[in-house]
Amino acid sequence: RKEVEQDPGPFNVPEGATVAFNCTYSNSASQSFFWYRQDCRKEPKLLMSVYSSGNEDGRFTAQLNRASQYISLLIRDSKLSDSATYLCVVNIRYGGSQGNLIFGKGTKLSVKP
Amino acid sequence: DAGVTQSPTHLIKTRGQHVTLRCSPISGHKSVSWYQQVLGQGPQFIFQYYEKEERGRGNFPDRFSARQFPNYSSELNVNALLLGDSALYLCASSLVMGEQFFGPGTRLTVL
Repeated sequence: RKEVEQDPGPFNVPEGATVAFNCTYSNSASQSFFWYRQDCRKEPKLLMSVYSSGNEDGRFTAQLNRASQYISLLIRDSKLSDSATYLCVVNIRYGGSQGNLIFGKGTKLSVKP
Repeated sequence: DAGVTQSPTHLIKTRGQHVTLRCSPISGHKSVSWYQQVLGQGPQFIFQYYEKEERGRGNFPDRFSARQFPNYSSELNVNALLLGDSALYLCASSLVMGEQFFGPGTRLTVL
């Protein structure tokens, strides 16, 4: 079983739609959780951290369920500029490390006019 | 402030050759991590360095090595290149655990 699993998509949605991405992780030692966004041929950029209480940043809402080892991202009122690949990421800290990021394969979103 | 910088941006090598990739972290960041991203996959963790010491290693062969310098910059070395080493190599720096900021990457093509 892969450590972080995501539906690869693509998700093709019209502007203004609401879209939800889901992610599951296998290692219960995972300590912190993130969504990164990656545009084509660019580096990943941190979109938001994910907290157990759930958190919101404008049109983006992230949820974490530690019991189910499940992470979600909701995008409301999709914009053309939201088109990108969304990477689900967990941080697992081993020994003296500061934590290694484990990435899912990413979910591709395409927002159409 | 400048973000994470990496050099070179693109590189073409042939099988069996050696390559050195370089990374400068964000000013004040003492931790550098390296990732390999092949097309269609998420980045895969290779190494983490903190205060010039290796703090983590992913599942990569011994052909991959790295080091961190006193100014916290870092090099990733890959020996005996294989076609499968063709990928985007990403460097990330961090100040606190988990919040890693990525450089633009080095795109390596092995022919």
